[in-house]
Amino acid sequence: GAVVSQHPSWVICKSGTSVKIECRSLDFQATTMFWYRQFPKQSLMLMATSNEGSKATYEQGVEKDKFLINHASLTLSTLTVTSAHPEDSSFYICSARTKGKGETQYFGPGTRLLVL
Amino acid sequence: DQQVKQNSPSLSVQEGRISILNCDYTNSMFDYFLWYKKYPAEGPTFLISISSIKDKNEDGRFTVFLNKSAKHLSLHIVPSQPGDSAVYFCAASAMETSGSRLTFGEGTQLTVNP
Repeated sequence: GAVVSQHPSWVICKSGTSVKIECRSLDFQATTMFWYRQFPKQSLMLMATSNEGSKATYEQGVEKDKFLINHASLTLSTLTVTSAHPEDSSFYICSARTKGKGETQYFGPGTRLLVL
Repeated sequence: DQQVKQNSPSLSVQEGRISILNCDYTNSMFDYFLWYKKYPAEGPTFLISISSIKDKNEDGRFTVFLNKSAKHLSLHIVPSQPGDSAVYFCAASAMETSGSRLTFGEGTQLTVNP
């Protein structure tokens, strides 16, 4: 199977700071990466879709200036939560897909963000 | 508008028996369906998928059935093992209209008792 990693696995920060989360596809080239957010006992909510070398497409209600996404290479996408506030505390998960592996998305292990 | 629904938030099964997890969808444009397994504080793990041109796909202990007319799919796990205890999400995508975007159900917590 395809392996996707995320770093860091958890982060605690003060309100107002920015946090960067990295998502890497380790054994395949990810033409598309997705960022999800999951609140406790709820489903995964898609935040944005990013294709390598182009701007991310954000879902309705997701602030693009607050959640900056960069998909600089075929193996790396980053999500930066700018000026984080307590309500941004959540579990952030990325996924990646490549045409060679069909339409299946492979998920990273997730990043737990706690904003104090 | 919840386009993918898993109506059972939880399911408890005895070890060795069959686990059946159900999922319903409303969007007739969905043409690819997946099941993921998720442990707490971890990312989902892909289990099995099925294209809308099929009605069954089997992989080891896991079988997914698709009933397009009823807009219903199910995941069968047999025999169930305690290590299968996790939250199971079904997901769907509509390539023609929304590309690779996945729409997830709410999840079903499966507990397999020894």
